[in-house]
Amino acid sequence: EADIYQTPRYLVIGTGKKITLECSQTMGHDKMYWYQQDPGMELHLIHYSYGVNSTEKGDLSSESTVSRIRTEHFPLTLESARPSHTSQYLCASRRNTEAFFGQGTRLTVV
Amino acid sequence: DQQVKQNSPSLSVQEGRISILNCDYTNSMFDYFLWYKKYPAEGPTFLISISSIKDKNEDGRFTVFLNKSAKHLSLHIVPSQPGDSAVYFCAASGFIIQGAQKLVFGQGTRLTINP
Repeated sequence: EADIYQTPRYLVIGTGKKITLECSQTMGHDKMYWYQQDPGMELHLIHYSYGVNSTEKGDLSSESTVSRIRTEHFPLTLESARPSHTSQYLCASRRNTEAFFGQGTRLTVV
Repeated sequence: DQQVKQNSPSLSVQEGRISILNCDYTNSMFDYFLWYKKYPAEGPTFLISISSIKDKNEDGRFTVFLNKSAKHLSLHIVPSQPGDSAVYFCAASGFIIQGAQKLVFGQGTRLTINP
């Protein structure tokens, strides 16, 4: 059973608002990831981290930012939400082999 | 540049028969491959994986085959059950690709098991 949690599960928010999507894992994994997925599409890597104080941009350009101050916590922030940010955001963590995913956050910006 | 490709967006299989999902990759530096199952509005669930030093890995009803020369892997589910209906993603990883341990995903295949 994977111990990785994302909150909130669903979020509807107005344009221009600042939001933070939370992701926490209790497995002590060094590597953490944020993926973005639109319905019927592939998962696109937007951010990843190898450990505390390490963050990198992924393959898909994103206006979001991330931080990794603690091993277990990898929050994603959007300073000013726009309708184009509407998507599902998936957080994952990994030691060496398989990655475990959280339940995801379905974000809708109106 | 799509490094991991699942060319079949959907697949429909009769309950009890075998489901075969296919995945192709282009980068020979990938050395670890995984299959995930995903329901709408949920995160992907890990199913089975295979290292590049093997050509087959089996776990219950799920078997993954790897053909390195063809850069192809497949997931076999037998017998298929209605609860297997979901989107299946293939993913690949390589420790020395761009200095990263990123997982690269395919586009997914929607599997529907018909009673």
